[in-house]
Amino acid sequence: DAGITQSPRHKVTETGTPVTLRCHQTENHRYMYWYRQDPGHGLRLIHYSYGVKDTDKGEVSDGYSVSRSKTEDFLLTLESATSSQTSVYFCAISDSGGAFSTEAFFGQGTRLTVV
Amino acid sequence: GQQVMQIPQYQHVQEGEDFTTYCNSSTTLSNIQWYKQRPGGHPVFLIQLVKSGEVKKQKRLTFQFGEAKKNSSLHITATQTTDVGTYFCQLYSGAGSYQLTFGKGTKLSVIP
Repeated sequence: DAGITQSPRHKVTETGTPVTLRCHQTENHRYMYWYRQDPGHGLRLIHYSYGVKDTDKGEVSDGYSVSRSKTEDFLLTLESATSSQTSVYFCAISDSGGAFSTEAFFGQGTRLTVV
Repeated sequence: GQQVMQIPQYQHVQEGEDFTTYCNSSTTLSNIQWYKQRPGGHPVFLIQLVKSGEVKKQKRLTFQFGEAKKNSSLHITATQTTDVGTYFCQLYSGAGSYQLTFGKGTKLSVIP
């Protein structure tokens, strides 16, 4: 498996609290992605990064922010967690993007429950 | 933006039967990738298709890219219980972005 680690793996938090999920890679890949996975919705892109300090929104970005201050780390923050953000979150990395994208490698996932 | 439809959403087969999932795009694709996610696991890359009409095989799995590069299929011959999981197609979303768009997946159940 590619060197990609998500932390924490499981988290329970209360509504209204901020939460930060971390994705760490040792592959030096340029592109990093955060997805959420919910039954019936597949993988939906939250935010992605195409370089250090270069990020952009995905299809379900409301309520989420990201930061990438160095190549290996991509942080996802839920500014004020809501129950609708209960989900499994996956980080993915890729060394190519856009029309020439190749394979993406996924982390093990973070199961977040907002109560 | 890019529209992708993956069908069927669910498929239940008897062990030994064949299985096919389809991925259809609203626009012409530069390439397409396929992934498998086992229950409780994370998506794992299977293959990439690039050329029009391309066919690639991995043991009992056959992947095909349509001639017009707007659709793709994954066919499994003689399913086994180890094939259980959800199969996703992934494609470039277009519009000059770096987004990677996934189909909603086909969940395969194999009855022993």
